[in-house]
Amino acid sequence: GNSVTQMEGPVTLSEEAFLTINCTYTATGYPSLFWYVQYPGEGLQLLLKATKADDKGSNKGFEATYRKETTSFHLEKGSVQVSDSAVYFCALLSGNTGKLIFGQGTTLQVKP
Amino acid sequence: NAGVMQNPRHLVRRRGQEARLRCSPMKGHSHVYWYRQLPEEGLKFMVYLQKENIIDESGMPKERFSAEFPKEGPSILRIQQVVRGDSAAYFCASSRGQAQNTEAFFGQGTRLTVV
Repeated sequence: GNSVTQMEGPVTLSEEAFLTINCTYTATGYPSLFWYVQYPGEGLQLLLKATKADDKGSNKGFEATYRKETTSFHLEKGSVQVSDSAVYFCALLSGNTGKLIFGQGTTLQVKP
Repeated sequence: NAGVMQNPRHLVRRRGQEARLRCSPMKGHSHVYWYRQLPEEGLKFMVYLQKENIIDESGMPKERFSAEFPKEGPSILRIQQVVRGDSAAYFCASSRGQAQNTEAFFGQGTRLTVV
């Protein structure tokens, strides 16, 4: 079945450091891929997405490229801020009913 | 345009009681998805509903859990005879169409604690 695997956290960085959060997936075909962010006590917000191979999603300085060769969708940001501290979820769209399959989440802590 | 509204935000139930979680989708959205987030885990799909229809309930536990999305009013996730293992955050998402074609927006969740 379809699945998503993320690197384990927590990831602790200093402000302005480079961020990478790894995400790999197993799926039939080429599903759309997503990164969601969850701030403390809040619901999930869509951060970025990519719908086909080699697409690059980007938003708020974050980027991720859909790599079908490595079945990966790693999240990157060149310079993180304290306000980026949150839990990040990688997800794929499964089947034809629109349900999302999520990774287990990676907690990012950015220290000033 | 208000976002997806879930209530209550926090719910405490004793073992054996019933829990009712409500989700009001965004205006104009007729598709609702429920997900459960256990502590330290990602979200797991439970059920997908359109108005008055359950489309996909492949993630719903076979017993004690039910969901509805009536023609009028919010979607309801109902858990009967709650047990400690039901303690989790329950998130609802809504979309204008099937989420494969349009973006799904999430509510802030209901955090259920069973004591």
